[in-house]
Amino acid sequence: DADVTQTPRNRITKTGKRIMLECSQTKGHDRMYWYRQDPGLGLRLIYYSFDVKDINKGEISDGYSVSRQAQAKFSLSLESAIPNQTALYFCATRAGVGNTEAFFGQGTRLTVV
Amino acid sequence: SQKIEQNSEALNIQEGKTATLTCNYTNYSPAYLQWYRQDPGRGPVFLLLIRENEKEKRKERLKVTFDTTLKQSLFHITASQPADSATYLCALESSGGYNKLIFGAGTRLAVHP
Repeated sequence: DADVTQTPRNRITKTGKRIMLECSQTKGHDRMYWYRQDPGLGLRLIYYSFDVKDINKGEISDGYSVSRQAQAKFSLSLESAIPNQTALYFCATRAGVGNTEAFFGQGTRLTVV
Repeated sequence: SQKIEQNSEALNIQEGKTATLTCNYTNYSPAYLQWYRQDPGRGPVFLLLIRENEKEKRKERLKVTFDTTLKQSLFHITASQPADSATYLCALESSGGYNKLIFGAGTRLAVHP
Protein backbone atom coordinates (compact mmCIF):
# COMPACT_ATOMS: atom_id res chain seq x y z
CA ASP A 1 0.00 0.00 0.00
CA ALA A 2 1.15 3.53 -0.74
CA ASP A 3 2.33 5.69 2.15
CA VAL A 4 0.12 8.56 0.96
CA THR A 5 -3.15 7.85 -0.80
CA GLN A 6 -5.22 10.43 -2.63
CA THR A 7 -8.75 10.02 -3.87
CA PRO A 8 -10.03 10.47 -6.46
CA ARG A 9 -7.14 10.18 -8.94
CA ASN A 10 -9.05 12.00 -11.65
CA ARG A 11 -12.12 14.17 -11.47
CA ILE A 12 -14.05 16.34 -13.87
CA THR A 13 -16.50 18.75 -12.30
CA LYS A 14 -18.60 21.67 -13.37
CA THR A 15 -18.10 25.30 -12.49
CA GLY A 16 -19.78 26.19 -9.22
CA LYS A 17 -19.81 22.67 -7.81
CA ARG A 18 -18.34 21.78 -4.46
CA ILE A 19 -15.68 19.13 -4.54
CA MET A 20 -13.55 17.42 -1.93
CA LEU A 21 -10.17 15.81 -2.46
CA GLU A 22 -9.12 13.34 0.18
CA CYS A 23 -5.73 12.32 1.47
CA SER A 24 -4.68 9.70 3.97
CA GLN A 25 -1.23 8.64 5.09
CA THR A 26 0.17 5.62 6.89
CA LYS A 27 3.54 7.16 7.84
CA GLY A 28 2.32 8.30 11.25
CA HIS A 29 3.59 11.82 10.56
CA ASP A 30 2.13 14.95 12.08
CA ARG A 31 2.66 17.31 9.17
CA MET A 32 0.45 17.23 6.10
CA TYR A 33 0.38 19.54 3.09
CA TRP A 34 -1.70 20.28 0.01
CA TYR A 35 0.07 21.52 -3.11
CA ARG A 36 -1.17 22.51 -6.51
CA GLN A 37 0.92 21.98 -9.65
CA ASP A 38 0.47 23.87 -12.89
CA PRO A 39 2.72 23.63 -15.95
CA GLY A 40 5.67 25.98 -15.61
CA LEU A 41 4.71 27.06 -12.10
CA GLY A 42 5.85 24.11 -10.09
CA LEU A 43 4.31 23.09 -6.79
CA ARG A 44 2.54 25.84 -4.89
CA LEU A 45 1.48 25.40 -1.29
CA ILE A 46 -2.26 25.72 -0.62
CA TYR A 47 -2.61 24.72 3.04
CA TYR A 48 -0.55 22.90 5.62
CA SER A 49 -1.26 21.34 8.99
CA PHE A 50 1.14 20.42 11.76
CA ASP A 51 -1.44 18.57 13.82
CA VAL A 52 -5.19 18.15 14.05
CA LYS A 53 -5.65 21.56 15.68
CA ASP A 54 -3.06 23.46 13.69
CA ILE A 55 -4.02 24.48 10.14
CA ASN A 56 -2.30 27.22 8.19
CA LYS A 57 -2.77 28.95 4.88
CA GLY A 58 -0.16 28.60 2.21
CA GLU A 59 0.62 30.98 -0.63
CA ILE A 60 -2.55 30.29 -2.66
CA SER A 61 -5.33 29.43 -0.22
CA ASP A 62 -8.09 31.61 -1.71
CA GLY A 63 -10.96 29.49 -2.98
CA TYR A 64 -9.88 26.45 -0.97
CA SER A 65 -10.56 25.10 2.50
CA VAL A 66 -9.19 22.11 4.39
CA SER A 67 -10.15 19.76 7.17
CA ARG A 68 -7.78 17.67 9.28
CA GLN A 69 -10.09 14.92 10.45
CA ALA A 70 -7.38 12.88 12.13
CA GLN A 71 -3.62 12.67 12.20
CA ALA A 72 -3.76 10.50 9.10
CA LYS A 73 -6.40 12.37 7.10
CA PHE A 74 -6.31 15.79 5.47
CA SER A 75 -9.00 16.86 2.99
CA LEU A 76 -9.02 19.75 0.55
CA SER A 77 -12.30 21.32 -0.55
CA LEU A 78 -13.17 23.64 -3.37
CA GLU A 79 -16.37 25.30 -2.22
CA SER A 80 -17.35 26.58 -5.65
CA ALA A 81 -15.03 25.28 -8.33
CA ILE A 82 -13.87 27.56 -11.12
CA PRO A 83 -12.00 26.68 -14.34
CA ASN A 84 -8.68 28.19 -13.20
CA GLN A 85 -8.61 25.63 -10.41
CA THR A 86 -7.98 23.00 -13.05
CA ALA A 87 -4.65 21.52 -12.00
CA LEU A 88 -2.82 18.56 -10.55
CA TYR A 89 -3.17 18.44 -6.76
CA PHE A 90 -0.74 16.71 -4.45
CA CYS A 91 -0.95 15.82 -0.81
CA ALA A 92 2.28 15.30 1.15
CA THR A 93 3.36 14.38 4.63
CA ARG A 94 6.53 14.86 6.64
CA ALA A 95 7.77 13.84 10.05
CA GLY A 96 7.26 16.41 12.77
CA VAL A 97 10.82 17.32 13.55
CA GLY A 98 13.95 18.23 11.74
CA ASN A 99 14.85 18.61 8.16
CA THR A 100 12.92 15.69 6.77
CA GLU A 101 11.84 14.54 3.36
CA ALA A 102 8.31 14.86 2.08
CA PHE A 103 6.30 11.86 0.96
CA PHE A 104 3.83 12.66 -1.80
CA GLY A 105 0.67 11.01 -2.97
CA GLN A 106 0.07 10.08 -6.59
CA GLY A 107 -1.89 13.22 -7.23
CA THR A 108 -5.43 14.13 -8.22
CA ARG A 109 -5.99 15.54 -11.67
CA LEU A 110 -8.90 17.95 -11.39
CA THR A 111 -10.62 19.49 -14.38
CA VAL A 112 -13.24 22.19 -13.90
CA VAL A 113 -15.41 22.74 -16.98
CA SER B 1 9.77 38.35 -2.71
CA GLN B 2 11.26 34.90 -2.31
CA LYS B 3 12.06 33.26 -5.59
CA ILE B 4 13.41 29.88 -6.66
CA GLU B 5 14.63 29.55 -10.23
CA GLN B 6 15.27 26.39 -12.17
CA ASN B 7 15.97 26.29 -15.86
CA SER B 8 12.63 25.98 -17.62
CA GLU B 9 14.22 24.62 -20.77
CA ALA B 10 14.69 20.89 -20.94
CA LEU B 11 18.20 19.55 -20.62
CA ASN B 12 19.06 17.02 -23.30
CA ILE B 13 22.16 14.91 -22.86
CA GLN B 14 23.70 11.74 -24.19
CA GLU B 15 23.69 8.57 -22.17
CA GLY B 16 26.83 8.20 -20.10
CA LYS B 17 27.42 11.93 -19.73
CA THR B 18 27.02 13.94 -16.54
CA ALA B 19 23.84 15.95 -16.21
CA THR B 20 24.05 19.17 -14.20
CA LEU B 21 20.91 20.96 -13.07
CA THR B 22 20.84 24.37 -11.38
CA CYS B 23 18.69 25.82 -8.64
CA ASN B 24 19.07 29.52 -7.82
CA TYR B 25 17.20 31.40 -5.13
CA THR B 26 16.76 35.02 -4.07
CA ASN B 27 15.46 36.75 -0.94
CA TYR B 28 15.76 33.51 0.96
CA SER B 29 18.10 32.05 3.56
CA PRO B 30 17.30 28.36 3.52
CA ALA B 31 18.63 26.09 6.19
CA TYR B 32 17.99 23.02 4.07
CA LEU B 33 17.72 22.28 0.39
CA GLN B 34 16.20 19.15 -1.10
CA TRP B 35 16.03 17.63 -4.56
CA TYR B 36 13.13 15.55 -5.85
CA ARG B 37 12.46 13.55 -8.98
CA GLN B 38 9.05 13.66 -10.64
CA ASP B 39 7.87 11.39 -13.42
CA PRO B 40 4.89 12.42 -15.59
CA GLY B 41 1.58 12.13 -13.77
CA ARG B 42 3.20 11.04 -10.51
CA GLY B 43 4.11 12.63 -7.22
CA PRO B 44 7.64 13.89 -6.53
CA VAL B 45 10.03 11.45 -4.93
CA PHE B 46 12.78 12.57 -2.55
CA LEU B 47 16.38 12.15 -3.67
CA LEU B 48 18.78 14.15 -1.50
CA LEU B 49 18.87 16.71 1.28
CA ILE B 50 21.72 19.09 2.04
CA ARG B 51 22.11 21.48 4.97
CA GLU B 52 23.37 25.03 4.74
CA ASN B 53 26.62 24.13 6.48
CA GLU B 54 27.32 21.30 4.04
CA LYS B 55 29.06 22.01 0.77
CA GLU B 56 28.41 18.72 -0.95
CA LYS B 57 26.36 15.55 -0.56
CA ARG B 58 26.58 12.33 -2.55
CA LYS B 59 24.36 9.32 -3.04
CA GLU B 60 25.37 6.72 -5.59
CA ARG B 61 25.48 8.56 -8.96
CA LEU B 62 23.96 11.71 -7.51
CA LYS B 63 25.82 14.72 -6.14
CA VAL B 64 24.42 17.95 -4.75
CA THR B 65 26.31 21.11 -3.91
CA PHE B 66 25.02 24.05 -1.90
CA ASP B 67 26.65 27.47 -2.12
CA THR B 68 24.95 29.91 0.24
CA THR B 69 27.13 32.77 -1.01
CA LEU B 70 26.08 32.32 -4.61
CA LYS B 71 22.58 31.27 -3.45
CA GLN B 72 22.78 28.27 -5.68
CA SER B 73 22.59 24.49 -5.65
CA LEU B 74 23.87 22.22 -8.37
CA PHE B 75 22.52 18.71 -8.88
CA HIS B 76 24.70 16.27 -10.80
CA ILE B 77 23.86 12.84 -12.21
CA THR B 78 26.97 11.03 -13.37
CA ALA B 79 26.94 8.25 -15.96
CA SER B 80 23.40 9.23 -16.88
CA GLN B 81 20.97 6.65 -18.21
CA PRO B 82 17.71 6.97 -20.18
CA ALA B 83 15.93 5.88 -16.99
CA ASP B 84 17.12 9.14 -15.38
CA SER B 85 14.84 11.07 -17.72
CA ALA B 86 12.38 12.97 -15.53
CA THR B 87 11.71 16.40 -14.07
CA TYR B 88 13.89 17.37 -11.13
CA LEU B 89 12.63 19.80 -8.51
CA CYS B 90 14.58 21.66 -5.88
CA ALA B 91 12.91 22.64 -2.62
CA LEU B 92 14.02 25.03 0.09
CA GLU B 93 13.16 25.23 3.75
CA SER B 94 14.00 27.78 6.39
CA SER B 95 14.86 26.79 9.93
CA GLY B 96 12.66 27.18 12.96
CA GLY B 97 8.97 27.79 13.38
CA TYR B 98 6.55 26.64 10.75
CA ASN B 99 8.89 24.89 8.38
CA LYS B 100 7.54 24.81 4.87
CA LEU B 101 9.03 23.29 1.77
CA ILE B 102 8.95 25.76 -1.10
CA PHE B 103 9.49 24.24 -4.54
CA GLY B 104 11.00 25.44 -7.76
CA ALA B 105 9.20 24.75 -11.05
CA GLY B 106 11.62 21.99 -11.97
CA THR B 107 13.86 21.17 -14.92
CA ARG B 108 13.08 18.34 -17.31
CA LEU B 109 16.00 16.07 -18.10
CA ALA B 110 16.03 13.87 -21.20
CA VAL B 111 18.83 11.32 -21.52
CA HIS B 112 19.19 9.97 -25.02
CA PRO B 113 20.68 6.55 -25.85
